[in-house]
Amino acid sequence: DAGVIQSPRHEVTEMGQEVTLRCKPISGHDYLFWYRQTMMRGLELLIYFNNNVPIDDSGMPEDRFSAKMPNASFSTLKIQPSEPRDSAVYFCASSFRQTNQPQHFGDGTRLSIL
Amino acid sequence: AQTVTQSQPEMSVQEAETVTLSCTYDTSESNYYLFWYKQPPSRQMILVIRQEAYKQQNATENRFSVNFQKAAKSFSLKISDSQLGDTAMYFCAFMSAGTASKLTFGTGTRLQVTL
Repeated sequence: DAGVIQSPRHEVTEMGQEVTLRCKPISGHDYLFWYRQTMMRGLELLIYFNNNVPIDDSGMPEDRFSAKMPNASFSTLKIQPSEPRDSAVYFCASSFRQTNQPQHFGDGTRLSIL
Repeated sequence: AQTVTQSQPEMSVQEAETVTLSCTYDTSESNYYLFWYKQPPSRQMILVIRQEAYKQQNATENRFSVNFQKAAKSFSLKISDSQLGDTAMYFCAFMSAGTASKLTFGTGTRLQVTL
């Protein structure tokens, strides 16, 4: 079975540019999560969806960050405009019936904002 | 709010030996789940083991086992017969059993397995 698929694996861009990270969850999973990992703050939950609906976006740092899930097999995390402090590894994870099953993570996107 | 504490930033163990990674957590809830995730240099987040708080029996997965002490809010991971491939960051994580829950991670322990 295919796992959670994230793209791109690496992204380097200049500050001020728009960045879009993509995620395809495991087929049949009804929960999708976006995390950010930095040395200073560790792993932080940014937002999560249930059945394509955002449930908790309290972890989204600023209005520059937005996430969408237009259908059950695709989600995006967008940063506009990007800043150097957004540099991090961004993980997408999915699970089935969140409270009973563990989350399965993608390989992450390493984002570098110059 | 829940907190997860991993007090050992780094540990080292020789191949074939046993090592225990510590994790404590703070919560007022009675029903929840605990996890250990492994992150090797490849950056993947790999689930190692999980424990349901309502189960008294400690979870085991091959060479990995946990010591779950609910009253003490402690959830340590024991790795037996350590292998070079166990070298990784290990994260302890908490998840409420409630419907609007999220995974709260500790800061991680970097484990180095040496020859």
